[in-house]
Formats: sequence, structure tokens, C-alpha cells
Amino acid sequence: QSVLTQPPSVSGAPGQRVTISCTGSSSNIGAGFDVHWYQQLPGTAPKLLIFGSNNRPSGVPDRFSGSKSGTSASLAITGLQAEDEADYYCQSYDSSLSVYVFGPGTKVTVL
Amino acid sequence: QVQLVESGGGLVMPGGSLRLSCAASGFTFSDYNMNWIRQAPGKGLDWVSFIGGSGTTKKYADSVKGRFTISRDNARNSLFLQMNSLRAEDTAVYYCAREHVVVPAAIDFWGQGNLVTVSS
Repeated sequence: QSVLTQPPSVSGAPGQRVTISCTGSSSNIGAGFDVHWYQQLPGTAPKLLIFGSNNRPSGVPDRFSGSKSGTSASLAITGLQAEDEADYYCQSYDSSLSVYVFGPGTKVTVL
Repeated sequence: QVQLVESGGGLVMPGGSLRLSCAASGFTFSDYNMNWIRQAPGKGLDWVSFIGGSGTTKKYADSVKGRFTISRDNARNSLFLQMNSLRAEDTAVYYCAREHVVVPAAIDFWGQGNLVTVSS
């Protein structure tokens, strides 16, 4: 059972907007700890997509954006493209467990 | 450019040991906290261990505490993970992972991964 929960999958047509939720609790996201998002293309290492809840590393398209409210965070992908088909993971810190925690991942399918 | 190259994985029997290494280049290694993160076949990401830039602060997931030891050699720009008493559930790709210099926990660079298989 993951400390952070994500939907197993989301899908959308090219050009559409999809969002991925990441729900935590008062000991992680709700405690104010940052949420980070990673993209993992098939057969490759994860890549940092969003850090500090809503900041993009250089090179990440502005089609990707993050937000956080209360005990939840969200990743939005606008103008969905075929190359966005991947697994997406959220991550935060949990103060009760004193560990870094990842969500179970969400598979994005471009229809 | 930043490079993290893992080595030392392979097949080991249950109860055995392995030592993973990660050679870092392209950045001032001692300035960065480092982590090991693993991913079992077909599963999600699982944080394993953390070490601060000086090597003094170390943290472990409960699942590996007492069996795994993280260390680093800043003079040789290297990160290590000594894994003892290995179990089938430790089978995974192990990633050497650099933490963002300013934003705690954000992993801004990952190695290519090294497969560890625990099986008889």
C-alpha cells in the first residue's frame, strides 16, 4: 500500500489535456513537503519533470505543469503528444516514516 | 555533462551479498546528496537509501535497514551500496540518483540502472 496514491492509468487523444492526481496525507504533502514528478519512458531511467510542486527543469516543455493543494498534488499535460506516453510518478517526503515516498505510478496512454 | 554509471549488479543466491558502485562525473560530487532507488520488474519506484554530501548522514528504508550499507568516496567520485542477506524481494533495477542541490528530495539526475537478481 503506497503512502501516496495515483490513478493507475489515464488516457487522452492527441492535443487534449490530461491530469494525474497524487493524494497523500498530513505527514507528507499536507505537511507542506514539496511534491516532485518524474516521467519514465519505456525501458529508460526516470527523468525529473516537475520539482518543488510547480517548477520545470530546463528542457521540459511548458506543456507540463504541477500544482499542490492541501494533501494532494496534480500534474497536468496540455497538448498531449504521442511522445508523452509513459509512466508518471509523484514523490514527496513523509515525516512520520522519515523516508522519501513515491506514488505507485500512472500510465499515460495517447489514444 | 553529468554522468552516473552503475556497476556490480548480477545474479546472486538468496542470503548472498553484492556491492553496487556508481561512478559520478561532470559535477562536484561532494556538493550533492546521493540516493539509491530501486524498481522491481514491472513495478514502481522504491527509495532505498540516502547519503549526505559529506557521507556523515545516512538513511535507509525499513525494508533494507540492517542489511544494506550506503557509502561514498568523494576523492574518487564514487557511491556504493553494500547489500547483504539478499532476498528474492530485493530483485530490482537499482538506480544511482543525484539529489537536487537546492531542492531536497528532488532527484535531478539518474544513472542508467543496474539489475540485481536474487534467485537460486
